Amino acid sequence: DADVTQTPRNRITKTGKRIMLECSQTKGHDRMYWYRQDPGLGLRLIYYSFDVKDINKGEISDGYSVSRQAQAKFSLSLESAIPNQTALYFCATSDLAGGMRETQYFGPGTRLLVL
Amino acid sequence: GENVEQHPSTLSVQEGDSAVIKCTYSDSASNYFPWYKQELGKRPQLIIDIRSNVGEKKDQRIAVTLNKTAKHFSLHITETQPEDSAVYFCAASMAGGTSYGKLTFGQGTILTVHP
Repeated sequence: DADVTQTPRNRITKTGKRIMLECSQTKGHDRMYWYRQDPGLGLRLIYYSFDVKDINKGEISDGYSVSRQAQAKFSLSLESAIPNQTALYFCATSDLAGGMRETQYFGPGTRLLVL
Repeated sequence: GENVEQHPSTLSVQEGDSAVIKCTYSDSASNYFPWYKQELGKRPQLIIDIRSNVGEKKDQRIAVTLNKTAKHFSLHITETQPEDSAVYFCAASMAGGTSYGKLTFGQGTILTVHP
C-alpha cells in the first residue's frame, strides 16, 4: 500500500543534542509537511515543501531545519534540542490530483522526549 | 496569516446524541475547510471537507456547514457511537500564491461518546 512512514517512532534525547526525524512516502505526492502536536494546541506547521527545490517556513520554524532529499523524502532536524521541543511530530503529504481538494495524508508520528 | 479558533476543547455526549464542533477563521481568502479525526494513538485522517462555494455537505452521519459571511464552519455528528470518540481538528486553507494548500489547524476537540 502506498503510505507515509516516519522513523524513528519514538526518541529520547538530551538537551543540546542534534537529532533528525525522517519521513518517506510512496504516494508519489509532490507536497510534504512537518507538524508538531501539543495538547491543547492542535497541529502546528513547522516547514513545508511543494517540490524538491522548494522549502518554506511554517508558523513555528525557529529551532528546526529541513531537507528535501528527493520527492519521496523530507527530513526534520533539531540542531540543538531543548525540552520545550518535546512533542509528537507528524509528517504529511498531499497533491493536487484531486483538483482543489488538498487532502493531507499523515504519517504515524514520532514521539520525541527531550530531557 | 490565517488564524483558526475551535470550540469546545472537550465535548462529552451520550451514545445516540448529536455533537457539534465549531470553528472560526480570520482570513476571508480561505476557501477550503477540511475536518480531520484522530483516534487515540493514531494519525489524523480526513473525514469530510467543504469548499467556500458550498454551504453544507453531508456524508452519512456527519455534516459540515459553512457561513462565509460570519467566517465560521461547524461539524455535526448525529446518532453518535462510541467509535466516534476521538480528537477532531478543523482546518482552513488559503487559496492562491505560495500559501495554496497550506492548512492552518484549530486547537482540536476531544469528543467522548459514553455508551
